[in-house]
Amino acid sequence: AQKITQTQPGMFVQEKEAVTLDCTYDTSDQSYGLFWYKQPSSGEMIFLIYQGSYDEQNATEGRYSLNFQKARKSANLVISASQLGDSAMYFCAMREIGGSEKLVFGKGMKLTVNP
Amino acid sequence: NAGVTQTPKFRILKIGQSMTLQCTQDMNHNYMYWYRQDPGMGLKLIYYSVGAGITDKGEVPNGYNVSRSTTEDFPLRLELAAPSQTSVYFCASTGFVTGRSPLHFGNGTRLTVT
Repeated sequence: AQKITQTQPGMFVQEKEAVTLDCTYDTSDQSYGLFWYKQPSSGEMIFLIYQGSYDEQNATEGRYSLNFQKARKSANLVISASQLGDSAMYFCAMREIGGSEKLVFGKGMKLTVNP
Repeated sequence: NAGVTQTPKFRILKIGQSMTLQCTQDMNHNYMYWYRQDPGMGLKLIYYSVGAGITDKGEVPNGYNVSRSTTEDFPLRLELAAPSQTSVYFCASTGFVTGRSPLHFGNGTRLTVT
């Protein structure tokens, strides 16, 4: 069964610094996708970035990049130049492609950006 | 564009009551999902559907039922509400067969069972 693990309960970072949010996953499928979502205090879920298991390059979307290490089954989110608006909950998720098509989330972690 | 619409936004139920959380999407998406989010926790998958007439259980299906008679609608039914079902419920949808398409989320339904 697929599983997502986010072990950092919370992190603090200074504005303009880079921060890495950890995510490890477990699956027996070869084809899968990894997602990161942001949930600000207002509650909506905001899609940030996607990495496919067969993608050769690490995904990047503006200030977000994904450090994908397939052999270690990790998909860490890197936020460069943190902004106050980055303070939120962050969730890692995985979808098995062509199999169950479930999309399963980790427990999330809270990022606080200090001025 | 409406996207994914959930109703109601808030609801208070008494123990033992039943209700249906509505979810509709106007993007012609095949895949739809129901999640619950308990305070300070992640999202747990309740049920999902890969197309009209097809549904399957997620991680926490007990106490819930779903149906998918049309592509647009994916209602979630609570038959005998219990305090443990107090949570925020999110409906989401996605359209592509490949994994790249992200989920589009509704704004959530905050349910309290007392």
